[in-house]
Amino acid sequence: EDQVTQSPEALRLQEGESSSLNCSYTVSGLRGLFWYRQDPGKGPEFLFTLYSAGEEKEKERLKATLTKKESFLHITAPKPEDSATYLCAIPTSGSRLTFGEGTQLTVNP
Amino acid sequence: ETGVTQSPTHLIKTRGQQVTLRCSSQSGHNTVSWYQQALGQGPQFIFQYYREEENGRGNFPPRFSGLQFPNYSSELNVNALELDDSALYLCASRDRNSNTGELFFGEGSRLTVL
Repeated sequence: EDQVTQSPEALRLQEGESSSLNCSYTVSGLRGLFWYRQDPGKGPEFLFTLYSAGEEKEKERLKATLTKKESFLHITAPKPEDSATYLCAIPTSGSRLTFGEGTQLTVNP
Repeated sequence: ETGVTQSPTHLIKTRGQQVTLRCSSQSGHNTVSWYQQALGQGPQFIFQYYREEENGRGNFPPRFSGLQFPNYSSELNVNALELDDSALYLCASRDRNSNTGELFFGEGSRLTVL
């Protein structure tokens, strides 16, 4: 069964304290892995798509990487405005996305 | 700004009632899908529409139904509401001809069933 698992469930950082979020997946034939950011009460905002192991993408303080079993979202020197829930998802059975439960990130000033 | 708009943003219903949620897709996006997101969980796929026909459905009962119109706008209808239907309902669109496949989400409709 296709599955996405994210860890940790919640992460609390001090401003400037770098860390990584994990997304492990099980799927037959990966057709991409997506990262989204979601603010409370809002819809998910697209961040990155990764397609093959070894691929990396960056946006401001965020860098996403992909291996054959997992993806990492690295956050370098985070700021309070980076506080949000980060979701990863994979396309399964057509074009539907299967999401993980998300990591709720809080960055304290 | 994704260009995907949803209405209403919030609504309260009672158990047994029916609800219709609406979505206007991003211009040029011909595929729309709906997701249910319970508090503290990731979005769960309900169904997808392409060219006004349902072409994929998740593990949701038939009382969840939808429509897509020629202008690519869409509706989600839920009959016989249950307490567990309380959630954020997300509409997402994509360009089926795109080779990247990412979905663009609206802000969601928050449904509370009492």
